[in-house]
Amino acid sequence: AQKVTQAQTEISVVEKEDVTLDCVYETRDTTYYLFWYKQPPSGELVFLIRRNSFDEQNEISGRYSWNFQKSTSSFNFTITASQVVDSAVYFCALTMEYGNKLVFGAGTILRVKS
Amino acid sequence: NAGVTQTPKFRILKIGQSMTLQCTQDMNHNYMYWYRQDPGMGLKLIYYSVGAGITDKGEVPNGYNVSRSTTEDFPLRLELAAPSQTSVYFCASSSNGIPYNEQFFGPGTRLTVL
Repeated sequence: AQKVTQAQTEISVVEKEDVTLDCVYETRDTTYYLFWYKQPPSGELVFLIRRNSFDEQNEISGRYSWNFQKSTSSFNFTITASQVVDSAVYFCALTMEYGNKLVFGAGTILRVKS
Repeated sequence: NAGVTQTPKFRILKIGQSMTLQCTQDMNHNYMYWYRQDPGMGLKLIYYSVGAGITDKGEVPNGYNVSRSTTEDFPLRLELAAPSQTSVYFCASSSNGIPYNEQFFGPGTRLTVL
């Protein structure tokens, strides 16, 4: 069975701190896809990044970076120099090669204080 | 493009009542999904559709029904509302079944059953 675990229920940081959100996944498939979504206080889900299982290259987009390690089944998300606008719930999700059904983690609430 | 729209935004139901949550997308996407989000939990898939006239169950389909008569619309029906169906419901769409394609989410419907 597929499973995504986000062990950090809630994280609080002060503005400009760096913060890493952890994501650990389980799957028996060799081909799979990982996603991160952001849910700001307004409630909608915003797509941040996707990664397939054959591409372990880390990615950086502005203040955001992602570290994908198949050896530890992890796909962690780091925000550098956090800002108040980063306050949101962040979800990690997994889908397999066939079908397009996302399996979500429970989410991590990030609170960035000024 | 409006993207994925959902109505209503909020609704309170009494136990045993029925209602339909509406979802419309204007991106000509073939795939559409319904998820529910319970507090402290990730999103769970209720039903999905790969095209007009074709629907299938997700992880938590009990108590719900769907139909897909057009590409644009994917309504979710609750026949006999129960307190366990108190949740936030999200509709999503994607262009096809390729797992690499991200899903676009609507703003959600917050449903309370008393």
